[in-house]
Amino acid sequence: EAGVTQFPSHSVIEKGQTVTLRCDPISGHDNLYWYRRVMGKEIKFLLHFVKESKQDESGMPNNRFLAERTGGTYSTLKVQPAELEDSGVYFCASSQLGDGEQFFGPGTRLTVL
Amino acid sequence: QQQVKQSPQSLIVQKGGISIINCAYENTAFDYFPWYQQFPGKGPALLIAIRPDVSEKKEGRFTISFNKSAKQFSLHIMDSQPGDSATYFCAAGRGGSNYKLTFGKGTLLTVNP
Repeated sequence: EAGVTQFPSHSVIEKGQTVTLRCDPISGHDNLYWYRRVMGKEIKFLLHFVKESKQDESGMPNNRFLAERTGGTYSTLKVQPAELEDSGVYFCASSQLGDGEQFFGPGTRLTVL
Repeated sequence: QQQVKQSPQSLIVQKGGISIINCAYENTAFDYFPWYQQFPGKGPALLIAIRPDVSEKKEGRFTISFNKSAKQFSLHIMDSQPGDSATYFCAAGRGGSNYKLTFGKGTLLTVNP
C-alpha cells in the first residue's frame, strides 16, 4: 500500500511568487493534516481536514495560505504571495477516522529567496 | 510559547549504550503522547505512543516512561545501534491521535559504532 505522497519534493521560488504544494493521503484516510517545520524549530500544525471539510485551521499563519481538499481526496496548499519566512519543510499526514496513527509524507522543502 | 519542551537538542551515544530523550509539556489536557523517528529525506514515522493511564510502555528496545504529576515523558532506547541514528520528536495531542499534534523541537541522535 502506498504511503502519503507529496509533490514537489523541493521548490525554490522568489519572494512574491506563488507556490502550490500537493498531498495525496493514504487511500481511505479521511483525516488529512498539514504541518510545517521551519529550520531549527519544532514541527507546527497548520490545519486539519476531515474529508473535504476544514476541521481545524487554527495553525494557518495568515491569509496568504490557502488549503483545499476537493472531493475529500488529495489536498493542495497554496502560498500567495510567498515571503522569506515561509521557507521550511511542509509535511502532510493522514489518518483513519477513529483512533488512528498519523502517517507522514516525506515533506516538501520550500525555499523562498 | 512552546508547549512541549524537548531535550537534549543532540545526543551522541556509543553502540550498545542507552539513549534517553526527555520531554515536558504544559497543557494538562493532552492525553496522547507519541514519539516519532525521522531519517534524512523521510517524513516522521510513529515509533511508539503512550496515554496517561499508564506509566510505562515498552516495544522492543524502545520504552516510554510517563510521569503525569511532573508532566514529563521520556524515550529510552536500550542497546542503541548505529541504525537508530535519526532525529526523534516527542509530541502531544488532545482527544487522542485524531487531532493536531504539538511537537518538541527534536533530538538528533548519533550512535557511534
